[in-house]
Amino acid sequence: RKEVEQDPGPFNVPEGATVAFNCTYSNSASQSFFWYRQDCRKEPKLLMSVYSSGNEDGRFTAQLNRASQYISLLIRDSKLSDSATYLCVVNVGRGSYIPTFGRGTSLIVHP
Amino acid sequence: DTAVSQTPKYLVTQMGNDKSIKCEQNLGHDTMYWYKQDSKKFLKIMFSYNNKELIINETVPNRFSPKSPDKAHLNLHINSLELGDSAVYFCASSRTKGLNYNEQFFGPGTRLTVL
Repeated sequence: RKEVEQDPGPFNVPEGATVAFNCTYSNSASQSFFWYRQDCRKEPKLLMSVYSSGNEDGRFTAQLNRASQYISLLIRDSKLSDSATYLCVVNVGRGSYIPTFGRGTSLIVHP
Repeated sequence: DTAVSQTPKYLVTQMGNDKSIKCEQNLGHDTMYWYKQDSKKFLKIMFSYNNKELIINETVPNRFSPKSPDKAHLNLHINSLELGDSAVYFCASSRTKGLNYNEQFFGPGTRLTVL
């Protein structure tokens, strides 16, 4: 089993739709969790951290489920500009923090 | 002000050459990273430096060597370049303590093409 797994998609949704992505991780010792966004030919940019209590930032909501070892990202009222690849990042503690990226989920929002 | 900068942005070179990529961060972070993103877009960590000490080395070939003159810089030196080294290399930094620890900020990437 891969350390961090994501459905590559693409998720093809109309503007205004609600879309959700999941990301599973294998190491129960994982310490911190993040969602990044990467546009074509650009660097990854932090979208949001995922806290145990969940995290909401405008149209974006992230949740952590430690028991089932997954994190989720919910995007409400999708905009064309949300089209990107969404990367899940899990930091595994092994005496030091080791960031592991998922392969990303591609989102295409169409008019 | 650029938080994490890399130079050069593009690098085209012949097989067998030696090249370096430079990275600088002005965020006061204590950890810097190098990632390789291949043609399949998978972002894989290569190295991490924390306070000038290597804390991760993900079985990359020893042709790749990170060099950190101070905690604001982490350069990547590559010897004897091979075709398979063609990729985009990203530098990143984060803090490992305090507020927002482990949140990484990335440089714009260096697109390396080996001919």
